[in-house]
Amino acid sequence: DTAVSQTPKYLVTQMGNDKSIKCEQNLGHDTMYWYKQDSKKFLKIMFSYNNKELIINETVPNRFSPKSPDKAHLNLHINSLELGDSAVYFCASSKYLKRGATTGELFFGEGSRLTVL
Amino acid sequence: AQSVAQPEDQVNVAEGNPLTVKCTYSVSGNPYLFWYVQYPNRGLQFLLKYITGDNLVKGSYGFEAEFNKSQTSFHLKKPSALVSDSALYFCARASSNTGKLIFGQGTTLQVKP
Repeated sequence: DTAVSQTPKYLVTQMGNDKSIKCEQNLGHDTMYWYKQDSKKFLKIMFSYNNKELIINETVPNRFSPKSPDKAHLNLHINSLELGDSAVYFCASSKYLKRGATTGELFFGEGSRLTVL
Repeated sequence: AQSVAQPEDQVNVAEGNPLTVKCTYSVSGNPYLFWYVQYPNRGLQFLLKYITGDNLVKGSYGFEAEFNKSQTSFHLKKPSALVSDSALYFCARASSNTGKLIFGQGTTLQVKP
């Protein structure tokens, strides 16, 4: 069984479109994340949710909106896609220690490669 | 700001030789330090971490890392490299307050047969 699964794995779309990426974890973790990995492989955190509550919201355009229907799911919706949004988006999860703090042992999904044309 | 740096974009090692992938951290607060590995077209995998305690930390796949406070370093090491160790390695630092994991820029390890 895949611990952290993301769909779709690949997404090719036109500028201006709206798209969503879904993530589910079956590890029983309370905290989930979205990371963006750019073409130079640099990883940057975008959002973090703890038990459906948003706890980290980096400087990300408002076009990006995460949604956590329950603690096992964290989806990412992107409006009005731009060329610069092309990247690999990773979902991750971890155990919860205290408010906002985790063990640091993140479990990553396989990534969703978004290409905006 | 709390951060980590990986000074080498790429490290090349012959199979069977020892390998070192370097990481330094900024002196700010308690450093909670991690190493992750990313194989091509895969997600990151946790290798090891330092929170407190012994400066030498052992992790997965025979890797270890040494926390050196005087040099503010947390280098990843392995006594004998395998071709299958070839991958992208990330050093990371967690904030105890925010839970945010900040990654270094990554180092590509190439192990040649």
